[in-house]
Amino acid sequence: DTAVSQTPKYLVTQMGNDKSIKCEQNLGHDTMYWYKQDSKKFLKIMFSYNNKELIINETVPNRFSPKSPDKAHLNLHINSLELGDSAVYFCASSQGDKISYEQYFGPGTRLTVT
Amino acid sequence: GDSVTQMEGPVTLSEEAFLTINCTYTATGYPSLFWYVQYPGEGLQLLLKATKADDKGSNKGFEATYRKETTSFHLEKGSVQVSDSAVYFCALSYPYNTDKLIFGTGTRLQVFP
Repeated sequence: DTAVSQTPKYLVTQMGNDKSIKCEQNLGHDTMYWYKQDSKKFLKIMFSYNNKELIINETVPNRFSPKSPDKAHLNLHINSLELGDSAVYFCASSQGDKISYEQYFGPGTRLTVT
Repeated sequence: GDSVTQMEGPVTLSEEAFLTINCTYTATGYPSLFWYVQYPGEGLQLLLKATKADDKGSNKGFEATYRKETTSFHLEKGSVQVSDSAVYFCALSYPYNTDKLIFGTGTRLQVFP
C-alpha cells in the first residue's frame, strides 16, 4: 500500500502554462506539506495544511496555490509556469499530534518547464 | 533564523569503511533533529531522530547524538554497504510549533565494492 502518493511522477510543460500536481495520503494523518527540491538537491518547505487549514506559507509566489479538499488530499496548482519552477516537488504528511514527529514523503513529481 | 549546515559531498567510500557525515545547526529554541535519506529516484525516508539534548538516534546501523554544547548531530555508521549509497539530509523542526522541517543541503554518499 502506498502511504503518500503523487501524480504525475513527471510533468513537462511550456512556460506560461497552468498545471496541477495531486497528492493523497492513506495514513490518516491530519497534516500535509509541499516541499520543493531544486537542482542542487536543496529542500525547502512551501506550504503545510492541518485539517484543511493553511498553517505555513513560506513566501511562495502567489502563482502557487495549494488546495486541500479533505485532510487526505493536498493538491498544488501552479499558474503561469516559469523556467525557475523546474524542480522536484515532494508532498509529505504527518500525524500532527506533536508526538510522532515523522513526516512521510511521497515519491516526488519532477516538473520541467521549457 | 534557524538553519542546518552539512558537509559538502560527495562522500566516496569503499564497502565496510567507517562513515561520518557532519551536521551542525543554528536554532533559536530547542528543536528536534532528524536524518532523512533519499535513495535514487525515491522520496525521503526518516532514518533516525533525536528530540532532546544527549539523545542518540539509531537505525539500520546508523547513529547520531544530539549535542547541544556543539550544536551538532553528526551521522555515523561503522561499516557502510553499497546499498547505503544515497543522499542524506540533516534537518530540524519544532514539533510543538509549526512542525516544518528545515533541511541542510544534503550529502551524497557513494559506496563502492
